[in-house]
Amino acid sequence: DGGITQSPKYLFRKEGQNVTLSCEQNLNHDAMYWYRQDPGQGLRLIYYSQIVNDFQKGDIAEGYSVSREKKESFPLTVTSAQKNPTAFYLCATGGSSYNEQFFGPGTRLTVL
Amino acid sequence: GESVGLHLPTLSVQEGDNSIINCAYSNSASDYFIWYKQESGKGPQFIIDIRSNMDKRQGQRVTVLLNKTVKHLSLQIAATQPGDSAVYFCAENRPDGYALNFGKGTSLLVTP
Repeated sequence: DGGITQSPKYLFRKEGQNVTLSCEQNLNHDAMYWYRQDPGQGLRLIYYSQIVNDFQKGDIAEGYSVSREKKESFPLTVTSAQKNPTAFYLCATGGSSYNEQFFGPGTRLTVL
Repeated sequence: GESVGLHLPTLSVQEGDNSIINCAYSNSASDYFIWYKQESGKGPQFIIDIRSNMDKRQGQRVTVLLNKTVKHLSLQIAATQPGDSAVYFCAENRPDGYALNFGKGTSLLVTP
């Protein structure tokens, strides 16, 4: 994990509510990423940001929103428009392109 | 190998044996490949990476082999230990070089 903090570790949400997942890093990496993982599945890209004040949609961006106002922070909001939000959410950071990504410990979101 | 369904393929090996985990990737233009290890409830952890101008790369107890002709990647773990039990993912870079496309993973179970 080292240097990447995700909070909370577990999150419960009622249907129809928006919820924001936090991701903070002190690795001084320019790029940050959000992935979603469902049971027995690989990681799917939600959003990513190569630099402050800029971000791109991934493969499953519908129902999610992000902001990148600071280099250290890349919060993910799961909106009520996301139909199946229950999943394990992973934040990652990376330096330049074509290099490894470092993952945080994850947030497990459950919709009640 | 990679799963096409909801159940991860599982590789069961005895402690001390060598393990080989396989992965087929999709994009012949990919330049960067990476293997991650994920323990239950945690974020993925970097194991080893390889660039497309290489066929083989070795780390501590691990070797990655890349066959670009058939778009195949493998991870070899020597003298497998109980602590190696986890899910292993291969990933390839996306076209812009930043985010990664992940395979669905292989579960490695090491028995005494």
